[in-house]
Amino acid sequence: EPEVTQTPSHQVTQMGQEVILRCVPISNHLYFYWYRQILGQKVEFLVSFYNNEISEKSEIFDDQFSVERPDGSNFTLKIRSTKLEDSAMYFCASRVTPSGANVLTFGAGSRLTVL
Amino acid sequence: GIQVEQSPPDLILQEGANSTLRCNFSDSVNNLQWFHQNPWGQLINLFYIPSGTKQNGRLSATTVATERYSLLYISSSQTTDSGVYFCAVDRETSGSRLTFGEGTQLTVNP
Repeated sequence: EPEVTQTPSHQVTQMGQEVILRCVPISNHLYFYWYRQILGQKVEFLVSFYNNEISEKSEIFDDQFSVERPDGSNFTLKIRSTKLEDSAMYFCASRVTPSGANVLTFGAGSRLTVL
Repeated sequence: GIQVEQSPPDLILQEGANSTLRCNFSDSVNNLQWFHQNPWGQLINLFYIPSGTKQNGRLSATTVATERYSLLYISSSQTTDSGVYFCAVDRETSGSRLTFGEGTQLTVNP
């Protein structure tokens, strides 16, 4: 079964450092997402990306965050200057079309720890 | 935005017991998914079920879209069923993001 692949699985960084989380969506999917889950809390939407631009972003997705599709396969989330409160599990997800009426497939997650 | 409420928040079972998890949502949806988050944090998609009933082994789910709720049934529970179960929905009028509930923490004891 096709998978969404995320790297790294776990990253530890110092406060103020830049972090890039990488994702390889399912090959025929066109709509990409990042979600965040702080430990013990629910999963929260960060941003959606379609046709090489941001479609929608939440209030969490401030100027410290950016997304990019640098080539035909990778989709990245960059955090410019990490804060302690950025410690969380970050999930990448993708779906075939922009319509909500189809399955959203999630990757295994990247756990970010900011010290 | 759309509200998603899950109940109960916590559930403790003995192995072999059956359980029902509920998800209520506040608006019309065109996507509803149930996920199991395992101890490693991975989100495992269980069902895509915006309406109707589906079954997969010991798990089944029913969504009554007109009444804005969904139920996840777990029969003959096993210790490996432990974890957090999330319901997530896409609002019909937006269609671009899933909104998650708070989850049900299930513990199955041997």
